[in-house]
Amino acid sequence: DAGVTQSPTHLIKTRGQQVTLRCSPKSGHDTVSWYQQALGQGPQFIFQYYEEEERQRGNFPDRFSGHQFPNYSSELNVNALLLGDSALYLCASSRVGQGKGEQYFGPGTRLTVT
Amino acid sequence: AQSVAQPEDQVNVAEGNPLTVKCTYSVSGNPYLFWYVQYPNRGLQFLLKYITGDNLVKGSYGFEAEFNKSQTSFHLKKPSALVSDSALYFCAVRDGNNFNKFYFGSGTKLNVKP
Repeated sequence: DAGVTQSPTHLIKTRGQQVTLRCSPKSGHDTVSWYQQALGQGPQFIFQYYEEEERQRGNFPDRFSGHQFPNYSSELNVNALLLGDSALYLCASSRVGQGKGEQYFGPGTRLTVT
Repeated sequence: AQSVAQPEDQVNVAEGNPLTVKCTYSVSGNPYLFWYVQYPNRGLQFLLKYITGDNLVKGSYGFEAEFNKSQTSFHLKKPSALVSDSALYFCAVRDGNNFNKFYFGSGTKLNVKP
């Protein structure tokens, strides 16, 4: 049973560029949430996707956008990268109806903006 | 609004001694509380959760947590620490209106010395 997978593992981009991060949820899960974890901080909720729609959003600008595909996998897109976007980006999956269950996290994508 | 506080950036304990990692929360409605552990360059791994019922919750790797409603605390404990327990620990609370949105504390670095 594959867990949550994310790609790529590491990424280096230049200010102003755009980046796409990818996530495949745990088998049987249909909901994907994205988190940003800056160095020395706890994860911050970016947004959540279910049924291919953004359902909830945290306090992140519109430069952060996402998508969910019919197979439940998801992408996180960040436009006009800033130095402050450098962080570990975590994807977490869960299943609707298992409302009291925990989220399962992927290993993350380390984004460095220079 | 939901929030979590971890008052200690770092906890040092000798191997074999008991350990406690502190967490306090603020939540509207019933609290759904979680502990996760993060090893270097890894994602978050689920340890345990409190949803309802017994105030002492047992989880993975010998960890347990005590829910105290009057003190709004959810401290993580282990009777006998191992060097391999050294990692970053995060307390999290689930949004009462969105079961898939978590709020994380800033994390506590646990150092277990031989």
